[in-house]
Amino acid sequence: EADIYQTPRYLVIGTGKKITLECSQTMGHDKMYWYQQDPGMELHLIHYSYGVNSTEKGDLSSESTVSRIRTEHFPLTLESARPSHTSQYLCASSVEAGASEKLFFGSGTQLSVL
Amino acid sequence: SQKIEQNSEALNIQEGKTATLTCNYTNYSPAYLQWYRQDPGRGPVFLLLIRENEKEKRKERLKVTFDTTLKQSLFHITASQPADSATYLCALGGNTPLVFGKGTRLSVIA
Repeated sequence: EADIYQTPRYLVIGTGKKITLECSQTMGHDKMYWYQQDPGMELHLIHYSYGVNSTEKGDLSSESTVSRIRTEHFPLTLESARPSHTSQYLCASSVEAGASEKLFFGSGTQLSVL
Repeated sequence: SQKIEQNSEALNIQEGKTATLTCNYTNYSPAYLQWYRQDPGRGPVFLLLIRENEKEKRKERLKVTFDTTLKQSLFHITASQPADSATYLCALGGNTPLVFGKGTRLSVIA
């Protein structure tokens, strides 16, 4: 069983607020990811990191930023939340096995921006 | 651009039958393909991985096939149970981060 934790589980905030979604894993995985998922839709990669001080933008244009100061911690920040940011945000870490990787996901943060 | 299509948004089957889910892809040559299960309000959970040089993989009641010529994977759940009801996602992997399909919502009716 993977140990990856996301907080908060649910968040309702007003437009213009700054928020940080937390993600932590205790498995020592180097690779971590943030995906955005709307109901009935595919997961869209918004940010990823292959190690400390390494971050990359994903395929989906996002107004969020991430940091990776410690291996176990990969927070995502929205400087000014808007209703279009309403979505589920999923954090994942991965372990490599024979030139492939297996993702472990957190339970997600459901964000609603009013 | 890369595109993944999973056969239908929803699939309903009777308990005890075999469920077959399809994943087709275009504009991509994955080194491997994975299947995940996602329950409502939760993150996906890894089920199976199959590499490009493998034709079939099995794990308990699950079977996955991978045809790189057809660019298709089939995911089978035999002797299905109501507890198998969930959304199943396929994902393609290689030198870049995993790319996910929309998923198929499976409902197993008792």
